Amino acid sequence: DAKTTQPPSMDCAEGRAANLPCNHSTISGNEYVYWYRQIHSQGPQYIIHGLKNNETNEMASLIITEDRKSSTLILPHATLRDTAVYYCIVRGTGGGNKLTFGTGTQLKVEL
Amino acid sequence: GAVVSQHPSWVICKSGTSVKIECRSLDFQATTMFWYRQFPKQSLMLMATSNEGSKATYEQGVEKDKFLINHASLTLSTLTVTSAHPEDSSFYICSAGLAGGDTQYFGPGTRLTVL
Repeated sequence: DAKTTQPPSMDCAEGRAANLPCNHSTISGNEYVYWYRQIHSQGPQYIIHGLKNNETNEMASLIITEDRKSSTLILPHATLRDTAVYYCIVRGTGGGNKLTFGTGTQLKVEL
Repeated sequence: GAVVSQHPSWVICKSGTSVKIECRSLDFQATTMFWYRQFPKQSLMLMATSNEGSKATYEQGVEKDKFLINHASLTLSTLTVTSAHPEDSSFYICSAGLAGGDTQYFGPGTRLTVL
């Protein structure tokens, strides 16, 4: 699976949009971009995933560049409960394909 | 939907004893489950991939005789840490994927402390 690069930490004011970038320049054509987050001492939580089109769900939006070499996770109105480590993971298709976690981005949402 | 549970949520044991951790998919069937380990201030590291009805596939460096994995049904996988030592103290997390699907859903984790 392709590797990803994320900034180690970011801060965001509560109520503002949090934009978390991810670089995955070696992504191949059949690999998806997945985002998970991990709140302290809990298991990771699935947020969203996409292949090449932008995606939106009740939690977030995922913007993937046309060349698919980078993406941005957008939390439209961050709250204190969104403080967590956010992981961007590139993964092939198939339920048996494993997830390889990098170091992620520690997002801190402040008042 | 897609809820994964783990039991126990935390356990303290003496060195040399064995500990079993259960991972259950509550509202879906999971042909594949994964076991991860996370040390403090580190990321998740995959230990093994567990397929229902077959032997688990272990990642390089993970001792299969020490970390016994059983995936006897489509909703239950167990991880047994045999002859646990203090260096096995960690946060153990499982994940499960929907049969035929791609997304993995994670359990809440089990904190193991070996004295």
